[in-house]
Amino acid sequence: QKEVEQDPGPLSVPEGAIVSLNCTYSNSAFQYFMWYRQYSRKGPELLMYTYSSGNKEDGRFTAQVDKSSKYISLFIRDSQPSDSATYLCAMSARYGGATNKLIFGTGTLLAVQP
Amino acid sequence: GAVVSQHPSRVICKSGTSVKIECRSLDFQATTMFWYRQFPKKSLMLMATSNEGSKATYEQGVEKDKFLINHASLTLSTLTVTSAHPEDSSFYICSARGVQGEGQPQHFGDGTRLSIL
Repeated sequence: QKEVEQDPGPLSVPEGAIVSLNCTYSNSAFQYFMWYRQYSRKGPELLMYTYSSGNKEDGRFTAQVDKSSKYISLFIRDSQPSDSATYLCAMSARYGGATNKLIFGTGTLLAVQP
Repeated sequence: GAVVSQHPSRVICKSGTSVKIECRSLDFQATTMFWYRQFPKKSLMLMATSNEGSKATYEQGVEKDKFLINHASLTLSTLTVTSAHPEDSSFYICSARGVQGEGQPQHFGDGTRLSIL
């Protein structure tokens, strides 16, 4: 079993739709959770970062973490064609006082149709 | 804030050439920088972790003599692909984590597309 599972998609939605992207994980030591957006031939761009269960909102984006279920989500409201990209979840643990490396999901390819 | 600049963005060179890629944190200091490799339609694969002033830590299966990493300052790390061959062709991406340390997210550069002929 992979440490982080993410539906690869592709996911195609009409403009204005609400998009839900999800990741599950198996390592209960993960404490830090991130969502990155990656456009083609570019590096990942940090969208959301959280370290506690619950919701965090930033504009049209909401990150949700449920540590008891080992499940994280990213919601995109009023999706735009410019949101078309690959979305990567990532998480890390903290061992012995040092933050461990990022573990990435495989990424979900999203296409928002105008 | 948290801008990471990676240079060059694209390299095409002949087999046997050594290629140096620079990664700079422009508006923050980074004690730790990371180097990744990404294959088409795949997620990022960590190659090595670079700490300022000390030797890099390489992931299993990554040749340290092939991929030389130097992290000479809090804002600059370099990756040198020595005697590059066609199988080294890939998308290389760096990231940096701020000096605030634990739990800080990584910020990524825009990657370097390396093509070895």
